[in-house]
Amino acid sequence: KNEVEQSPQNLTAQEGEFITINCSYSVGISALHWLQQHPGGGIVSLFMLSSGKKKHGRLIATINIQEKHSSLHITASHPRDSAVYICAVSLSGGGADGLTFGKGTHLIIQP
Amino acid sequence: SQTIHQWPATLVQPVGSPLSLECTVEGTSNPNLYWYRQAAGRGLQLLFYSVGIGQISSEVPQNLSASRPQDRQFILSSKKLLLSDSGFYLCAWSVGRRYGYTFGSGTRLTVV
Repeated sequence: KNEVEQSPQNLTAQEGEFITINCSYSVGISALHWLQQHPGGGIVSLFMLSSGKKKHGRLIATINIQEKHSSLHITASHPRDSAVYICAVSLSGGGADGLTFGKGTHLIIQP
Repeated sequence: SQTIHQWPATLVQPVGSPLSLECTVEGTSNPNLYWYRQAAGRGLQLLFYSVGIGQISSEVPQNLSASRPQDRQFILSSKKLLLSDSGFYLCAWSVGRRYGYTFGSGTRLTVV
């Protein structure tokens, strides 16, 4: 079983729809990251969360530490939001051993 | 400001040839540096990380090696590429687990 599970794997929606992408993890974490990967492959960090909720423009990320679950929401979706959204976690404890990634959610927003 | 440079962007190499991918960071000192790989249809996987010059930790046994000859330079190498080495390679840096990560633009490697 993967330590980080995302759903759905693929999502196609119409412009303007409210989008939710879910992430569940099975390990202790110090932080959870939401990343955006565009077709060229480059990755941009959207949010880093350790508790509660963060908002940036039309993007909202929430995390429930007790349930080990996080969601990424996109309000008023637009075709330019089309990308792969990746959930990743930093494991708890000391050390610098990087991120553990989900497999990503491929989002397509149709005009 | 902090930036990360990764090159080349695209690379096509024959099986058995050597590989050298380079990543450099600007605007910060003593960063933690990372190499990740994304194989076709799969999620990103950590290959190597480094907390300082000459210090390399390997996560997955493989045909690759990494080196950190300078504080802000991280190099991914192979002596002889395999078909299975094809994928998208990403460099990243961070100053610690509780902080964010900054990713390079990636190198798409195709071994033919």
